[in-house]
Amino acid sequence: NAGVTQTPKFQVLKTGQSMTLQCAQDMNHEYMSWYRQDPGMGLRLIHYSVGAGITDQGEVPNGYNVSRSTTEDFPLRLLSAAPSQTSVYFCASRLTSSSYEQYFGPGTRLTVT
Amino acid sequence: KQEVTQIPAALSVPEGENLVLNCSFTDSAIYNLQWFRQDPGKGLTSLLLIQSSQREQTSGRLNASLDKSSGRSTLYIAASQPGDSATYLCAHRAGSARQLTFGSGTQLTVLP
Repeated sequence: NAGVTQTPKFQVLKTGQSMTLQCAQDMNHEYMSWYRQDPGMGLRLIHYSVGAGITDQGEVPNGYNVSRSTTEDFPLRLLSAAPSQTSVYFCASRLTSSSYEQYFGPGTRLTVT
Repeated sequence: KQEVTQIPAALSVPEGENLVLNCSFTDSAIYNLQWFRQDPGKGLTSLLLIQSSQREQTSGRLNASLDKSSGRSTLYIAASQPGDSATYLCAHRAGSARQLTFGSGTQLTVLP
């Protein structure tokens, strides 16, 4: 199994540009989520999904959209990037929403200038 | 709102020392608590997970304990090695929540 994969690893955007961060898992996990990590603040939940076709907001959803058309993929879209979205983004998955252990991807480092 | 605090933010110890990392949380209705390791520029690797019904978990030189009544968890690392240098994060999952709440981490440096 490849586990949780994320692309790209690094990205630089100009303010106002849009892009999609990709996340995929091959473990047939129902639950997937996106976090951002900022210095000194730990990880904060952006959006999550409990299964294909079902998404919900986390702690810091503003400026981000998600969709879940398949079990495997959970892309995160920035419609109009802002400097405040400069961060490291992690995708995670677990078997179900009640499963104990969560698995993380390697992260995408995004800089918005 | 659930809060998870990790103190200290950074810790430097000589090789061979035993050390304890601390994690405190405000919501005692805990489902589980998980300790992660993060190497620079990398993702998170799960180290230990303690369910609410457990008091501790052990893996090799690592031991994690959970005290729900005081809202604390500790990660004990025995005989530290330079390869243990990393940031250690704890994450709390409350009873009714699907998501994890993370602490900001303790950056550990083990000096050879």
